[in-house]
Amino acid sequence: GENVEQHPSTLSVQEGDSAVIKCTYSDSASNYFPWYKQELGKRPQLIIDIRSNVGEKKDQRIAVTLNKTAKHFSLHITETQPEDSAVYFCAASRGGGADGLTFGKGTHLIIQP
Amino acid sequence: DAGVIQSPRHEVTEMGQEVTLRCKPISGHDYLFWYRQTMMRGLELLIYFNNNVPIDDSGMPEDRFSAKMPNASFSTLKIQPSEPRDSAVYFCASGRGGQYYEQYFGPGTRLTVT
Repeated sequence: GENVEQHPSTLSVQEGDSAVIKCTYSDSASNYFPWYKQELGKRPQLIIDIRSNVGEKKDQRIAVTLNKTAKHFSLHITETQPEDSAVYFCAASRGGGADGLTFGKGTHLIIQP
Repeated sequence: DAGVIQSPRHEVTEMGQEVTLRCKPISGHDYLFWYRQTMMRGLELLIYFNNNVPIDDSGMPEDRFSAKMPNASFSTLKIQPSEPRDSAVYFCASGRGGQYYEQYFGPGTRLTVT
């Protein structure tokens, strides 16, 4: 089955700086890569996603890049703000919306004031 | 849109008791997923349904776990008998499928088995 590795497990950045979280996946048939943000005690919230036919996607301060050859995808957050502090999860799926997600172990992002 | 609804939000039970978790997906979504979150294992898929039919239950940990979806607006996850290692947050998520890839999570049920 699919295996998703996520790094780092904890990331501390100064407010206003950029943050990058990286994930690798093992199943070359995976075609959908979402990122979820989870605040303490809350549900995972979808913040951005990318499909395998696209190399990059951007939404305001958040961007995701995908390298299918290397089986690698990354989340980039620019101009970080205190409200960006949370745990971020990457995931992969081989069936798009018709398959379950395999999650990475999460990255605790801490924004230092 | 009400979003995915789960009940109860918190459940505390004693080892050996039966536990039933409930989920109402977003109206019009054909896919329903059950996930479990623990510190040790992270977020893991237990089972998912398409049009009320179970498609993949390979993530269900053992026979003590069972899930049903009697209609398009209701699903249950049952644990019988419960054990302390079942303590976790159980999330239900739903999605439209087809060209719509997004999955939307419910608020979760925090289960504590003593």
